Amino acid sequence: ETGVTQTPRHLVMGMTNKKSLKCEQHLGHNAMYWYKQSAKKPLELMFVYSLEERVENNSVPSRFSPECPNSSHLFLHLHTLQPEDSALYLCASSRRAGGSYNEQFFGPGTRLTVL
Amino acid sequence: QQQVKQSPQSLIVQKGGISIINCAYENTAFDYFPWYQQFPGKGPALLIAIRPDVSEKKEGRFTISFNKSAKQFSLHIMDSQPGDSATYFCAASMETSGSRLTFGEGTQLTVNP
Repeated sequence: ETGVTQTPRHLVMGMTNKKSLKCEQHLGHNAMYWYKQSAKKPLELMFVYSLEERVENNSVPSRFSPECPNSSHLFLHLHTLQPEDSALYLCASSRRAGGSYNEQFFGPGTRLTVL
Repeated sequence: QQQVKQSPQSLIVQKGGISIINCAYENTAFDYFPWYQQFPGKGPALLIAIRPDVSEKKEGRFTISFNKSAKQFSLHIMDSQPGDSATYFCAASMETSGSRLTFGEGTQLTVNP
């Protein structure tokens, strides 16, 4: 595996379910990110981790819970979601969390549908 | 103040033509302006980026033009090809914003054969 991988690629869940999204980066990077991509909207940054420590949390509802057990893995735990949470969830990584000129490498995303 | 406005929302170009996508920003502290390209079923990938100390950057058929006084930058795709059909996002960030990239809304480009 190379780059940034995400599983599952597609997920359908009910509002009462609990599920988790997984991301793994094979680039030796120190920072990882979760983004939400909705149709015709800019990508929304949700969480940032640097060396397994959460450094940014952009007012995301508590029904989304991130976990970063090490610098290569990132999870997004989901519970009691709403239909408006249906979107493409993208994971990204970069060499470091701060500064400009800091290219982020994206995974293919998980297409989430909440019924 | 953190927004980046992108236009058009969609663009159809004939093969061999020039595709132009525009972005405008408000925050003069932005100091890095990347463009990302996203194909269906894939995540965005960095295409080309520019710093505000230059007015133009070219990489192959892709050129960024940057107008600091107008707070605008644009992506030009010369000799557009059907394989360029994708969604393009402009973005901006600043040194002091840490990891935050502020993205535009995206432009869906279709290049007809």
